[in-house]
Amino acid sequence: SQKIEQNSEALNIQEGKTATLTCNYTNYSPAYLQWYRQDPGRGPVFLLLIRENEKEKRKERLKVTFDTTLKQSLFHITASQPADSATYLCALEEDGQNFVFGPGTRLSVLP
Amino acid sequence: DAGVIQSPRHEVTEMGQEVTLRCKPISGHNSLFWYRQTMMRGLELLIYFNNNVPIDDSGMPEDRFSAKMPNASFSTLKIQPSEPRDSAVYFCASSSRTLTGGSEQFFGPGTRLTVL
Repeated sequence: SQKIEQNSEALNIQEGKTATLTCNYTNYSPAYLQWYRQDPGRGPVFLLLIRENEKEKRKERLKVTFDTTLKQSLFHITASQPADSATYLCALEEDGQNFVFGPGTRLSVLP
Repeated sequence: DAGVIQSPRHEVTEMGQEVTLRCKPISGHNSLFWYRQTMMRGLELLIYFNNNVPIDDSGMPEDRFSAKMPNASFSTLKIQPSEPRDSAVYFCASSSRTLTGGSEQFFGPGTRLTVL
């Protein structure tokens, strides 16, 4: 069956450290993988998109990797800040159809 | 731009009543998505439209749910009759998207629906 998993429901890290979130999938062939941030009571906000033929994408303190062999994406936040505390969702898209979100990881950055 | 607009923001209704949720996408976007979010099931795609045409409605739970997009600036999601298990936050999102995909989605603030 098809499945998307994110490494843990919750992740606590110390301010200044690098947060690493994992997205694993089974029985999908995504052409694109996206990461979103969601704050309580609000809709998800787009962060980064990576294509199947790209290995890595960066944006400021954010970095995403995409390994189609391992069927895994890693999302890194360097020099984390308390303001980075939120739920992070990965989303798979298969060539214009079958758009699916993962369950999310709730990140808490402790001062 | 005001972003994606949804109304109402909160809706409380009784079982059996009809519920209509409304969405105004970002001007110029050609794709619109309806999602449902619950603690148990996460964020689920219900239906999406491309150029006002429904492309994939396989996520619509059952015949009680219907969605329309009469023009590029308006969409509705209707539940008739509503049931307590429909209680969730419903999000609308829009994007400038080709049929091959790959574009970011802009989400509205959501409608929190409670069915008693």
